[in-house]
Amino acid sequence: KAGVTQTPRYLIKTRGQQVTLSCSPISGHRSVSWYQQTPGQGLQFLFEYFSETQRNKGNFPGRFSGRQFSNSRSEMNVSTLELGDSALYLCASSWPGQGTDTQYFGPGTRLTVL
Amino acid sequence: AQKVTQAQTEISVVEKEDVTLDCVYETRDTTYYLFWYKQPPSGELVFLIRRNSFDEQNEISGRYSWNFQKSTSSFNFTITASQVVDSAVYFCALSEAWYSGGGADGLTFGKGTHLIIQP
Repeated sequence: KAGVTQTPRYLIKTRGQQVTLSCSPISGHRSVSWYQQTPGQGLQFLFEYFSETQRNKGNFPGRFSGRQFSNSRSEMNVSTLELGDSALYLCASSWPGQGTDTQYFGPGTRLTVL
Repeated sequence: AQKVTQAQTEISVVEKEDVTLDCVYETRDTTYYLFWYKQPPSGELVFLIRRNSFDEQNEISGRYSWNFQKSTSSFNFTITASQVVDSAVYFCALSEAWYSGGGADGLTFGKGTHLIIQP
């Protein structure tokens, strides 16, 4: 089975722009979670989607949003980018969809905001 | 609130030495799950182990072993006869029980331990 894939792998944006990141889960996985990793804050939970519904959201401003499609693929969007949004964004998928399932991570998208 | 502490920021050992990575957690739940992940320089988090709060048996997988002690809220990870390929950042993580309608709060990660294995 193919693993979790994320596109693009690298992005460079400037402050004020918006960005969309994509994640394709492992086939059959319906839960997709997003995490932000920075040197200062470490790994932090952004949100989780299951069957096209956001079930939970971490402590991030409304500029961070996401969605999930019927094929379980997910996108996250960050609007009005700030320098502090520079980070590695990791997507994870799990089955069958409980919060305590093992989450399998993709390679991440490294976002640099200039 | 749940919390995971990995007090060792960086550990450096010579190849073939044994090394233990510490993980201490805090949770109010009686049902929870603990995880270890490995993050090589490529960035992808690689799953190593998942353990639920009701199973305190130690586990061994090849050169890897895990010691779970609820009495001290610890879930330590030992690599025996370390190899250069073990060099990575290792994360311990906690997930509390999923409640119907409550969704998933995601994994709570420790800050990670950077393990350097010198040849």
